[in-house]
Amino acid sequence: AQSVTQLDSQVPVFEEAPVELRCNYSSSVSVYLFWYVQYPNQGLQLLLKYLSGSTLVKGINGFEAEFNKSQTSFHLRKPSVHISDTAEYFCAVRSSGGYQKVTFGTGTKLQVIP
Amino acid sequence: KAGVTQTPRYLIKTRGQQVTLSCSPISGHRSVSWYQQTPGQGLQFLFEYFSETQRNKGNFPGRFSGRQFSNSRSEMNVSTLELGDSALYLCASCRTGERCGYTFGSGTRLTVV
Repeated sequence: AQSVTQLDSQVPVFEEAPVELRCNYSSSVSVYLFWYVQYPNQGLQLLLKYLSGSTLVKGINGFEAEFNKSQTSFHLRKPSVHISDTAEYFCAVRSSGGYQKVTFGTGTKLQVIP
Repeated sequence: KAGVTQTPRYLIKTRGQQVTLSCSPISGHRSVSWYQQTPGQGLQFLFEYFSETQRNKGNFPGRFSGRQFSNSRSEMNVSTLELGDSALYLCASCRTGERCGYTFGSGTRLTVV
């Protein structure tokens, strides 16, 4: 079975400061990892994904994430946040092979403070 | 290109009724998945369809069912609605395979009274 944990339910950060949103996963096989963002009253939007290869993945809106197999982590980072980054962020995992379902974390609300 | 379209956007139903939600994926996308989102449970997987076949099913009671048509459009049905079924129902599509990231629709907000 696969699972994903987002330990921080809310992260407040000042505008133009860096931010890291944490994600840890569990799976007995290789995984594909995703980060999504959800703005109020909207669906989720894909920020970035890790499939294989380079462990540093760059996404949209200046976000990046690093896959760490030994730590089973896939933390999302941005060097300088903007007010418009205020949203809820979801980490997701899909175990490879057999078309397993995609499991989402419980989400982290990023609040950017002016 | 057009995104994932979910209809209706909002729905109010009474306990015991049934409801059908519709999802039109992005053109060329053959995989459609459904999720239930609530404040308490987060995003819970309902089903995944690929080329009209159910490829995966979540841990929901049999009152929840779905299907996919030959044009990749999908519907989900909930019978005998309960208050706890109130949620945002999200549909997501991707072209094919397990490596693609989802494109989500804006969801259908179902309220059961």
